Amino acid sequence: AQSVTQLDSHVSVSEGTPVLLRCNYSSSYSPSLFWYVQHPNKGLQLLLKYTSAATLVKGINGFEAEFKKSETSFHLTKPSAHMSDAAEYFCVVSDHGSSNTGKLIFGQGTTLQVKP
Amino acid sequence: DGGITQSPKYLFRKEGQNVTLSCEQNLNHDAMYWYRQDPGQGLRLIYYSQIVNDFQKGDIAEGYSVSREKKESFPLTVTSAQKNPTAFYLCASSESGRAGYGELFFGEGSRLTVL
Repeated sequence: AQSVTQLDSHVSVSEGTPVLLRCNYSSSYSPSLFWYVQHPNKGLQLLLKYTSAATLVKGINGFEAEFKKSETSFHLTKPSAHMSDAAEYFCVVSDHGSSNTGKLIFGQGTTLQVKP
Repeated sequence: DGGITQSPKYLFRKEGQNVTLSCEQNLNHDAMYWYRQDPGQGLRLIYYSQIVNDFQKGDIAEGYSVSREKKESFPLTVTSAQKNPTAFYLCASSESGRAGYGELFFGEGSRLTVL
């Protein structure tokens, strides 16, 4: 069975400091992993995705994430936070499994607050 | 501009009423999805459709119904049988039915409040 756990429900950083949003996953097969961002009262937008190519994945707006199989982690980072990064972030896993339907499992979300 | 349009953005309903949320996409995507989002929770899949005239139940389909008569349209009806319908509803689409391989494109959501 697949699952995803976002280790922090809320993260607060100062503008210009690094961002770390943590995500652990559980998957019986080779997973695909995604990070999506949601601004208030908006839909979700894909930040980046890992699909068994390079383990360090670069996304939009300066975000990146590293797939670590030994730690079953896919943490999202950014070197320097900007006020516009304040949003909710979702880690998502897709376990292709034997049925190959690629069902998506969403984490509970991490709210990122950026202080001036 | 290509994208997904959801309407209405805000909707109020009295208990016992059915309401229909609209979702239209002009991305020429085969697959469409409805998710429900509650505060502090991730998204939960209500229904999905991989092709016109076909759809499958997701994890929380009870009290909801859908149709897929046209490729670009996937309306969701929240029926009176749904016990706790107040939520934020998100429609999404993907190029193929295998959402795990590709990107989901989301609409801006519809917020339903039951009075």
